Amino acid sequence: KAGVTQTPRYLIKTRGQQVTLSCSPISGHRSVSWYQQTPGQGLQFLFEYFSETQRNKGNFPGRFSGRQFSNSRSEMNVSTLELGDSALYLCASSLDRGLSTDTQYFGPGTRLTVL
Amino acid sequence: AQSVAQPEDQVNVAEGNPLTVKCTYSVSGNPYLFWYVQYPNRGLQFLLKYITGDNLVKGSYGFEAEFNKSQTSFHLKKPSALVSDSALYFCAVRDGMDSSYKLIFGSGTRLLVRP
Repeated sequence: KAGVTQTPRYLIKTRGQQVTLSCSPISGHRSVSWYQQTPGQGLQFLFEYFSETQRNKGNFPGRFSGRQFSNSRSEMNVSTLELGDSALYLCASSLDRGLSTDTQYFGPGTRLTVL
Repeated sequence: AQSVAQPEDQVNVAEGNPLTVKCTYSVSGNPYLFWYVQYPNRGLQFLLKYITGDNLVKGSYGFEAEFNKSQTSFHLKKPSALVSDSALYFCAVRDGMDSSYKLIFGSGTRLLVRP
């Protein structure tokens, strides 16, 4: 079974631009979560989607948004990019059967560099 | 609030020797704990998890973790380290007991296995 895929793997943008990152979950997985990884802040939760609805959101400004499609694929968007948005953005998927044993599996990430 | 701490930024061990990567947790309620590994320019790979039951959890690549409730610890162990085990290791705790949850990560521990 294929793992979580993320595209693109690398992105370079300039301040003020916007960017869209894509995530395809493992087949059959219905929940998609996004995390930001930076050297200073570590791994931080951005948001989680299930059945095309955002169920959970971390402490990030409104410039960070996302969506999920009917096939569970997800995108996240960052508008008006700032230098501090440079990070590795990780997507994780899980079955979400409502069980405590649920496990999140991560993709390879998208490395975003803001100049 | 749920949290985990990884007290060591780096652990150095010789190949063939046992290794331990430390993690302590602070949770309200039952802890659901995870270990992930990250290789350079890669996403997070799931190693193992503790939900309930046996205090010794076995995972991928020969890793195991010992859950200790009295010491609120969940240390990652391997009997014999390999050079290829050199990577960044993250301990995480599940925050949220319903279907929507997020992972709270520790700051990470870099493991260096010397030949």
